[in-house]
Order: sequence, then C-alpha cells, then structure tokens
Amino acid sequence: AQSVTQLGSHVSVSEGALVLLRCNYSSSVPPYLFWYVQYPNQGLQLLLKYTSAATLVKGINGFEAEFKKSETSFHLTKPSAHMSDAAEYFCAVSKGGSYIPTFGRGTSLIVHP
Amino acid sequence: NAGVTQTPKFRVLKTGQSMTLLCAQDMNHEYMYWYRQDPGMGLRLIHYSVGEGTTAKGEVPDGYNVSRLKKQNFLLGLESAAPSQTSVYFCASTAALHNEKLFFGSGTQLSVL
Repeated sequence: AQSVTQLGSHVSVSEGALVLLRCNYSSSVPPYLFWYVQYPNQGLQLLLKYTSAATLVKGINGFEAEFKKSETSFHLTKPSAHMSDAAEYFCAVSKGGSYIPTFGRGTSLIVHP
Repeated sequence: NAGVTQTPKFRVLKTGQSMTLLCAQDMNHEYMYWYRQDPGMGLRLIHYSVGEGTTAKGEVPDGYNVSRLKKQNFLLGLESAAPSQTSVYFCASTAALHNEKLFFGSGTQLSVL
C-alpha cells in the first residue's frame, strides 16, 4: 500500500519569502513522486516528478523538491514566493509501473504582499 | 491542442436523478481516471481504465459506474444521485510510459440537492 501525508492544510508566506511545503510518503517499493499545482477553477498540472534519476528535482516556476529516502520525504521548496504562486499544491506517490497515483490532501499556499 | 476535455462544466441535480459525465482525450492515452475532489480530502480515485473496454474500481467507487467503449472517451455515470455526491469531478489521462504525468481536465462542478 502507498500513502501520502501533507503536513499543513494551509501555508502562509510573505512575497519574497521561502516557500516550504512538506510531503511524507509510505511505499512498499521504491516510489515515483510528484508535485502538482492547482490554480483556482482549474485542473491539476505537473510541477515536477521524481523517478530515481536524481534526488534533487527542479520543476517549473522555480520550484524544486528533494527526495530523502531516510526521511521518506519529498518536500517542495521555492527560494522566493511570488503572488502568482498562490494555489493548491498536491503531493502524489505511485509504485513504479502502477500508473495509479495516490494523492495527498493538498496544501493551500497563501502569499501576502 | 485540446488535451483532456470534460463536459459539462457545471450541473445541478435533484436527489435520485441520473446523469453522465463525459471525458474525452485526444492524446491516444491508454490510462484514464475519474477523481472527485472535496475540501480537505484531496483527490480520491473513483474508477480508472487501463485501456479500451477495461475498467477498475478505485478508492471510492460506490454509487458510480463507468464505461470505456472507445479509447478516447471515459464516461462516469451516476444512476441515482445523492447529496453526498456533491463534489468537483476531475478526469485525467496518461500514456503510462515511465510513470508519465497525468493530464487533467478542468473539472465538473456537480451539486446534488
């Protein structure tokens, strides 16, 4: 079985501050990990994915995530938040070859001017 | 380049009524999914399909039926709608190659009164 836990349903930061969204996973086999972003009234779109090639993954819009096997974590970071980053962020995990991802409950990122 | 298209975008039903949500993708993807999104619950998988003519149950299949008669279409049916099925429904698809990302539609807002 696989599962994802996103710590914090809401994260609030000031514009220009560091963004850190936390994701911990459990998986019985080496996982594939994803971060998706959902802007208001839209579907989800991929930010980045980890598929065992490199532990530090760079995504779109300046986001990156680091896979830490010892901590079973895949936290999402961005050095400097922008107002346009305000959205819902979802972490997802799937077993290699299963193509059936399990999503976390989501974290709403709020960016203050 | 349409991607994943969901119809309708909004619908209001009375308890006991039936309806079908249509998902169409033009990317020749093998896998298709139906998720529901509820506040604080993230995305939960209702049903999925690994190819034309095949379907399988996900995490929350009760009260829903699906069909995949053509590779490009995945239909979600509610035979007798209940207020608990008020939600935002998302369709997604993937080519299922090297754990490719999911492509999402823009969602259907369904209210059951």
